Order: sequence, then structure tokens, then C-alpha cells
Amino acid sequence: NAGVTQTPKFRILKIGQSMTLQCTQDMNHNYMYWYRQDPGMGLKLIYYSVGAGITDKGEVPNGYNVSRSTTEDFPLRLELAAPSQTSVYFCASSYADRDYGYTFGSGTRLTVV
Amino acid sequence: GQQLNQSPQSMFIQEGEDVSMNCTSSSIFNTWLWYKQDPGEGPVLLIALYKAGELTSNGRLTAQFGITRKDSFLNISASIPSDVGIYFCAGPATYTGNQFYFGTGTSLTVIP
Repeated sequence: NAGVTQTPKFRILKIGQSMTLQCTQDMNHNYMYWYRQDPGMGLKLIYYSVGAGITDKGEVPNGYNVSRSTTEDFPLRLELAAPSQTSVYFCASSYADRDYGYTFGSGTRLTVV
Repeated sequence: GQQLNQSPQSMFIQEGEDVSMNCTSSSIFNTWLWYKQDPGEGPVLLIALYKAGELTSNGRLTAQFGITRKDSFLNISASIPSDVGIYFCAGPATYTGNQFYFGTGTSLTVIP
């Protein structure tokens, strides 16, 4: 059982470049999330989705976009990369009852230079 | 957004010692979760708490839901090298969509 799979694991981008971070889950979870993790700052929610075709902004959405065309996939798009987007990005998914917590992917470490 | 404050920020302990850490919030929570993040991996759920005063164990880990509902505590007994990692608390956000706020993390180093 793969759980939540993120690709790539590492990436270096130049300022102004764009890229898509991929996330897929095989647990049939309706809810999916993108978080970023900066040193000493915990995890901040970027975007989330409560089901296919439905997405909404989290705490720190600026500079990012998402789509949710299927239950399994929730890609995160960076259009014009900036140094402030250097971070570790985690995708997560959960059942509708959030008391069960999230299942996280292993993360994408992104550096913008 | 909501800030969950964890303390201590980091700990260096000898193998076999017990560990205590806590998490505080300015808001009341109905659920507290504790996660562990191994180096280079995503966080993994350790313990979930659903009621004020609740004490729940998972092996050598014990977590408590504070009576005030604004804090939670995690204890690790007889630490071992594989306990190394970052421990996060999490509490539910008040806006919709199942989101959680995460604490700033406690980094644990166990010295063999």
C-alpha cells in the first residue's frame, strides 16, 4: 500500500521558473492538503481540497495554484518561483472525519536560487 | 493563523532517559494530535486525544489532553536512538475543510 506519494523528492529552480509538485494517494481519501515546512516554523497550510473539483486556500496560498481533477491526484503549481518559496513541501490526505489525522507524503525539498 | 507553541524547541538526552514536551494554544481545542517526523520523511501520527483530561499511551509514548483544553503533553519513557526526530502537536482549525494547525516542533536527539 503506497499511501501518499510525492515527486520529485528534490528540486532546484531558478528565480522565475515554474514547476509542478506531484501528489497522489491510493487510500480513496476525499481530503487532500499541501503544507510547507520552514525551519523552526512548523507546517503551514497552502491549499486544500475536500473532493475532486473543489479546492480552497489555506494560510499561505500566494504564489501557488492547485487543481483536483481526480480523487487520487492533487498537484501543486509554482508559476514564478521566488527565493521565499525555498522550503520542504508536504502533501497529505485524510478521511472526512479529521479526528483520524492525516497521512503525509515523504516531502519535496525545493530550493529556489 | 493560530500559533501552537511547543517547548522545548530542542532536547539532547542520554539513551534510557525519559522525555517530556508540551504544546500550548491560545484557543480551546476539541482534539489534539501528536506526530513524529523522522529525518527526510513526512510526519506520522503517534497519538490522538479527543477529551479533556484524557491520557492515552502508544508503547513507550504517553500523551495527555490538558484540562484547560489549551494544552497537551507528550512523554516518552526509556528513550532509544530511534526516538530521534521532530515531534509536532496539532489542533483543528476553526475554518472548514478538515485542517489542522501544527506546532513549531520539538527536535529530539538521543545520545547512545
